[in-house]
Amino acid sequence: QVQLVQSGAEVKKPGASVKVSCKASGYTFTSYGISWVRQAPGQGLEWMGWISAYNGNTNYAQKLQGRVTMTTDTSTSTAYMELRSLRSDDTAVYYCARVLVGGVVVVAATSPFDYWGQGTLVTVSS
Amino acid sequence: EIVLTQSPGTLSLSPGERATLSCRASQSVSSSYLAWYQQKPGQAPRLLIYGASSRATGIPDRFSGSGSGTDFTLTISRLEPEDFAVYYCQQYGSSTGTFGQGTKVEIK
Repeated sequence: QVQLVQSGAEVKKPGASVKVSCKASGYTFTSYGISWVRQAPGQGLEWMGWISAYNGNTNYAQKLQGRVTMTTDTSTSTAYMELRSLRSDDTAVYYCARVLVGGVVVVAATSPFDYWGQGTLVTVSS
Repeated sequence: EIVLTQSPGTLSLSPGERATLSCRASQSVSSSYLAWYQQKPGQAPRLLIYGASSRATGIPDRFSGSGSGTDFTLTISRLEPEDFAVYYCQQYGSSTGTFGQGTKVEIK
């Protein structure tokens, strides 16, 4: 069965970086992409971006451009999301989700997010 | 960027009643790329509907989706106790995957 298992909770100071992992199993990793979504406490879902596990092409939300990097390691079927220059308003639960993506110049989804990780709480506090 | 606006913010209903949730887009969304998710406290979202009207695997038929263009609806025909949760719409056909702000369905 398809599973996405994320790394554990993190506590970071403002200005630091965090890297969250998402290990996939139960499907052919390179046939799909991974999207990252975050949810601040008591708030809604915010799309952060996605990456093709086939070729590593990415598309990020405009508000996070320059601070976020998404990568994959096909040898371990693991996706990573790194967020830099952390601020208090980056405190949130971060989710990974499986998605079909395609395109070269612009990476776009062609499926909904059908499987999700369990979430990783990232707390930014001095 | 497409903005999705959900209404109402909160829906107070009793078990057995019908729930109608709305999602309006700032520009036309291909109906192939509109999804609905359910989220319960402390859990990850769960895919309910994709392509505006197709139920995801294992989703009961009391959940149905409809709409096209800029106006979409999620209907729960008869609310079960486990259906009280927050519901989000999402468009994923453009180069972004934006979500609406959510509708909370609470027990009256």
